[in-house]
Amino acid sequence: SQQGEEDPQALSIQEGENATMNCSYKTSINNLQWYRQNSGRGLVHLILIRSNEREKHSGRLRVTLDTSKKSSSLLITASRAADTASYFCATKASGGTSYGKLTFGQGTILTVHP
Amino acid sequence: DAGVTQSPTHLIKTRGQQVTLRCSPKSGHDTVSWYQQALGQGPQFIFQYYEEEERQRGNFPDRFSGHQFPNYSSELNVNALLLGDSALYLCASSWGGQMNTEAFFGQGTRLTVV
Repeated sequence: SQQGEEDPQALSIQEGENATMNCSYKTSINNLQWYRQNSGRGLVHLILIRSNEREKHSGRLRVTLDTSKKSSSLLITASRAADTASYFCATKASGGTSYGKLTFGQGTILTVHP
Repeated sequence: DAGVTQSPTHLIKTRGQQVTLRCSPKSGHDTVSWYQQALGQGPQFIFQYYEEEERQRGNFPDRFSGHQFPNYSSELNVNALLLGDSALYLCASSWGGQMNTEAFFGQGTRLTVV
């Protein structure tokens, strides 16, 4: 079963606009990671945010984490047509037996129109 | 530096057959995890191998089995294939299964069961 939910399920914007995707999860986590997937192929790692961090930046990406609300958001600024992809959040649960298992949400399909 | 490589990229099998998928982890990584991604869904964790042993397993039947070799590469075996096993199978590698390390994914193997 999926750990969390992503919102919206699909997002359509124009090039140059910002895109915001949200992720909610259910259990306590050690970290949360965002991935991009193009055309049903492999996942590309975007950013990892630890449970004791609130915000992280990487280029045009900004990720926030609110552990009290069990939610995270991914902001892509000044979007480009090449950003068109599916975006997934994945959580690594805290606790001794969770090891490296990632639990994924359903994903947000982002379409950026030129 | 080669990333995570998976083979084959595509595979068509008949119901009841058996299949073996292969994964070579990113250089320096010693932990391999396998995920199943059905169309339109997020990846679901099958199991993780570390030090040649299955360390954690998701909610998949015993028809799904795996192996990790001394060079850290891994195989996923699925017996008695069902139509519902049709999916993208993703391999992810990481270092030591530690909590706060990123997992890097391969391009996946698209399995179609007919």
